[in-house]
Amino acid sequence: EAGVAQSPRYKIIEKRQSVAFWCNPISGHATLYWYQQILGQGPKLLIQFQNNGVVDDSQLPKDRFSAERLKGVDSTLKIQPAKLEDSAVYLCASSSRLAGGQQETQYFGPGTRLLVL
Amino acid sequence: KQEVTQIPAALSVPEGENLVLNCSFTDSAIYNLQWFRQDPGKGLTSLLLIQSSQREQTSGRLNASLDKSSGRSTLYIAASQPGDSATYLCAGLDNAGGTSYGKLTFGQGTILTVHP
Repeated sequence: EAGVAQSPRYKIIEKRQSVAFWCNPISGHATLYWYQQILGQGPKLLIQFQNNGVVDDSQLPKDRFSAERLKGVDSTLKIQPAKLEDSAVYLCASSSRLAGGQQETQYFGPGTRLLVL
Repeated sequence: KQEVTQIPAALSVPEGENLVLNCSFTDSAIYNLQWFRQDPGKGLTSLLLIQSSQREQTSGRLNASLDKSSGRSTLYIAASQPGDSATYLCAGLDNAGGTSYGKLTFGQGTILTVHP
C-alpha cells in the first residue's frame, strides 16, 4: 500500500515570496490533515478536510495561508506572502474511519521542509 | 484547550537499558492517546494507540499505558537498541467518534539516543 506522498521535499524562499505544497493521501482515505512542525516542537494542526470540505481550520493563519482539496483527493497548501516564522516542516496526514465508526490512526507523509530567508 | 507535555525533552541511554518516556495531558476527555516515532527528515510513524476505555497496549518491546484520571501516559521501551534512536511524540485525540472528527494535540517530543 502506497503511503502519503508530499512534494517538494525541500523549499527555500525569501520572505514575502509565495510557496505551495502538494499532498496525495492514501487511496480511499477521506480525511486529510495539514500540520506545521516548528523545530523542537510537536506538529500543530493547520487544517483538516473531510472529503473536499473543511472540518477544522481554526489554527490556520488565514491572512496568508490557504488550502484546498477540490476533488476530495489531492490537496495543496499555499503561503502568500511567506514570513520568517513560517520556516518549519509541513506534514500531510490522512486517515479513514473503521467500520464501527472509530477514527483510524493518521498516516503521515515525509513532510516538506521550508526555509524562509 | 488540550495541552500535552512530554518529559524528558531528551534522553541518552546505553544499549540494553529499559526506559520510560512520560506524557501528560490537561483534558482527561480524550478519545484516544497515541505514541508516534519520528526519524530525522521523515514523517511520523504510529507506534501504539490506546483507546480511552483501555489502560495499555503492547507491541513487541513497546508498552504504552494510559491513566485518564491522572492525565498521564507512559511509553516503556524494553532492552533498548541503537535503532530505537528517534524522537518520540505522544498525542491526544479529542472529540472523535460518531459524526464528529477528532483533533490530535501533540507534545513537543522526547529525543531518544541509544548508544552502543
